[in-house]
Amino acid sequence: GENVEQHPSTLSVQEGDSAVIKCTYSDSASNYFPWYKQELGKRPQLIIDIRSNVGEKKDQRIAVTLNKTAKHFSLHITETQPEDSAVYFCAAMNSGGSNYKLTFGKGTLLTVNP
Amino acid sequence: DSGVTQTPKHLITATGQRVTLRCSPRSGDLSVYWYQQSLDQGLQFLIQYYNGEERAKGNILERFSAQQFPDLHSELNLSSLELGDSALYFCASSVGQRTTGELFFGEGSRLTVL
Repeated sequence: GENVEQHPSTLSVQEGDSAVIKCTYSDSASNYFPWYKQELGKRPQLIIDIRSNVGEKKDQRIAVTLNKTAKHFSLHITETQPEDSAVYFCAAMNSGGSNYKLTFGKGTLLTVNP
Repeated sequence: DSGVTQTPKHLITATGQRVTLRCSPRSGDLSVYWYQQSLDQGLQFLIQYYNGEERAKGNILERFSAQQFPDLHSELNLSSLELGDSALYFCASSVGQRTTGELFFGEGSRLTVL
């Protein structure tokens, strides 16, 4: 089955700096890659996703890049703010397969220091 | 508010006991997913139901079972509880059976086994 590795497990940045979180996946058939943000004590919420037919997607201060050859995708947050502090999860799925399972990485705790 | 309702929010029980967690998906969503969140393991996929039928199975123990009822609500049954079963259990829902769209998570049920 799919295995998703996420790094780093913790990340601390100064307000205004950029943050990058990286994930690798094992199943070359995976073609859908969402990112979820979970604030302390809250539920995970989707912040951005990318499908394998594109290499990059942006939404204001966040962007995701995908390298299918390397089976690697990354989340980039620019101009970080204290409210960006949360746990971020990457995930991968093969939407065309018979297994409907969305596999998550173990998460990255991002702390943005004022 | 995601529209996904989970009850109870908190549950404290003893080893060997059995509990039932309940989830009502968003109106119109046919798929329900159960995830277990422990401190070091991130979001572990347990099982998915679509319109009453099991669609995908993850790392769900034999002591655990789930079902989705005709009104689309779902229940996760945990039996012969062990200390290691203490975790936050999330239910999520989506419109279709393939998760190539947003998963809407409930607030979670925090289970503590003493």
